[in-house]
Amino acid sequence: DAGVTQSPTHLIKTRGQQVTLRCSPKSGHDTVSWYQQALGQGPQFIFQYYEEEERQRGNFPDRFSGHQFPNYSSELNVNALLLGDSALYLCASSFLSATQGEQFFGPGTRLTVL
Amino acid sequence: GDSVTQMEGPVTLSEEAFLTINCTYTATGYPSLFWYVQYPGEGLQLLLKATKADDKGSNKGFEATYRKETTSFHLEKGSVQVSDSAVYFCAFYTGANSKLTFGKGITLSVRP
Repeated sequence: DAGVTQSPTHLIKTRGQQVTLRCSPKSGHDTVSWYQQALGQGPQFIFQYYEEEERQRGNFPDRFSGHQFPNYSSELNVNALLLGDSALYLCASSFLSATQGEQFFGPGTRLTVL
Repeated sequence: GDSVTQMEGPVTLSEEAFLTINCTYTATGYPSLFWYVQYPGEGLQLLLKATKADDKGSNKGFEATYRKETTSFHLEKGSVQVSDSAVYFCAFYTGANSKLTFGKGITLSVRP
């Protein structure tokens, strides 16, 4: 049973560019959450998707947007990249009905903005 | 607001030493509590969890007890191994906002 997968593994962009990160959830999971982990920090919640809709959003600007597809996979898009967007981006999947909140994480995409 | 406070690191121990990593939280409502571990170059792995007061989560020799009265979830292990070297994150989840709130993490290095 495949776990959460993310692509690409690493990405280098320059300021002002746009980037798209991809995530496939664990088999059977219907909910995808995205987190940003800056170097030396804990992950920060960006947003969560369920049934192709954004359910919850953290304190991130509108430059961060996402999408969920009918097969539950998801994309994170970041526009007008800033140096401060350099981080590890983590995707987590879960069941929406899992009231205890357990989420399964992918290996992450390391984004470097030059 | 909601937050998790972890003890300052890094922590360096000798193999077979006793480990305690402190974690306290401030949460709205009644959260579920988690410890996640991150090995070098990898994503987060769930280490253990507890969902109600006085529950003890355990896995791979690690334990943590949900203390509602002190809003704490301290991680312990009786005898650490070199393979336990990693970054450890304390986190909680509340259904109100559907997100995990993490602490800053603490780096554990275990020397042979």
